[in-house]
Amino acid sequence: DTAVSQTPKYLVTQMGNDKSIKCEQNLGHDTMYWYKQDSKKFLKIMFSYNNKELIINETVPNRFSPKSPDKAHLNLHINSLELGDSAVYFCASSQAGDWQETQYFGPGTRLLVL
Amino acid sequence: AQSVTQLDSQVPVFEEAPVELRCNYSSSVSVYLFWYVQYPNQGLQLLLKYLSGSTLVKGINGFEAEFNKSQTSFHLRKPSVHISDTAEYFCAVSRTATYDKVIFGPGTSLSVIP
Repeated sequence: DTAVSQTPKYLVTQMGNDKSIKCEQNLGHDTMYWYKQDSKKFLKIMFSYNNKELIINETVPNRFSPKSPDKAHLNLHINSLELGDSAVYFCASSQAGDWQETQYFGPGTRLLVL
Repeated sequence: AQSVTQLDSQVPVFEEAPVELRCNYSSSVSVYLFWYVQYPNQGLQLLLKYLSGSTLVKGINGFEAEFNKSQTSFHLRKPSVHISDTAEYFCAVSRTATYDKVIFGPGTSLSVIP
């Protein structure tokens, strides 16, 4: 059973399009995250939700909008995609929002904007 | 604000040789420290973490790390590497506070040579 799953695994799209990435965790965790990993492998947190409430919202363009319909899901919607949005996006979850808790990462969604 | 430095971006090592991946951090307060591994085309997986107590932390796959407060370091070591250890390794730090985000280092690419 996959603990943290993301769909799609690959996403190739044109500039200006709107796209969504879905994330689901079956671990019963309270907290979920979105990270962006750029071409140089640099990993940076974008958002964090705890029990469907936004906890962390880093300096991310407002074209990016996370949505958490329930505790097990955290989706990422991106409007008006730009070339610089090309990256690997990782979803993660942890038992609580306390950062000593281990985070479990999904396999990543590789987004390429043409 | 805290930061993480991984001095070696790439580390090639022969199979069965020992390896040390260096990590230094800066923070004015107490921290939690983590090492994550990312295998090719996969998400991150926790190797080990230091929260408190013994400064020598043992993780999965035979890895260990030692927290050195005076040198603000948390170097990762393995006495004998395998081909399967080829991956990207990320050091991360967070302050010992709830909902304070994790900062990841730039990563070290470990290549094990047969």
